[in-house]
Amino acid sequence: AQSVTQLDSQVPVFEEAPVELRCNYSSSVSVYLFWYVQYPNQGLQLLLKYLSGSTLVESINGFEAEFNKSQTSFHLRKPSVHISDTAEYFCAVSRQGSNYKLTFGKGTLLTVNP
Amino acid sequence: EAGVTQSPTHLIKTRGQQATLRCSPISGHTSVYWYQQALGLGLQFLLWYDEGEERNRGNFPPRFSGRQFPNYSSELNVNALELEDSALYLCASSPGGTGGSSPLHFGNGTRLTVT
Repeated sequence: AQSVTQLDSQVPVFEEAPVELRCNYSSSVSVYLFWYVQYPNQGLQLLLKYLSGSTLVESINGFEAEFNKSQTSFHLRKPSVHISDTAEYFCAVSRQGSNYKLTFGKGTLLTVNP
Repeated sequence: EAGVTQSPTHLIKTRGQQATLRCSPISGHTSVYWYQQALGLGLQFLLWYDEGEERNRGNFPPRFSGRQFPNYSSELNVNALELEDSALYLCASSPGGTGGSSPLHFGNGTRLTVT
């Protein structure tokens, strides 16, 4: 079975500062990795995903994440955050192949202050 | 395209009652997933349906059950409600047969409150 650990439950930052949200996973088989974002009173939206190929993946709103197989990590970064980035961020992993089940971390609440 | 829709948005029940939550997936998606998001516990996987069959089940008691209809919509039933069942229940859908590579598309959830 796979598992996901998000190392920080809350991350407060000031606007225009850089941010890193940490995610580590464990799995005995190859996996796919995802970051989702949840704004207040909404469901989750896909932010970015790693399936294969380049280990650095980017989203359309400036976030990026790097898959590091040796460290089993998939940290999310943004060089300059905005107030509108305030939300809860979830890292998720699914095993490749059949018996698909997406396992989520407990989430990191990013609060961007003016 | 229309997204995943869930109903009702809010549901208030008393302990011991039954709750029924509904979900309509994105058109063309055959897989439906249910997650429970309780305060402080993150998202816990409940059930996965694909092509009308239950494919996987999370670590929840049997009073949590569901089904998927021929049009791929789904229903989650929670019997003998307990106070700790209070949570946001999220439904998600994805195309079937993609071996885990397709991201899930989530609805906005049903907020279940048990008093």
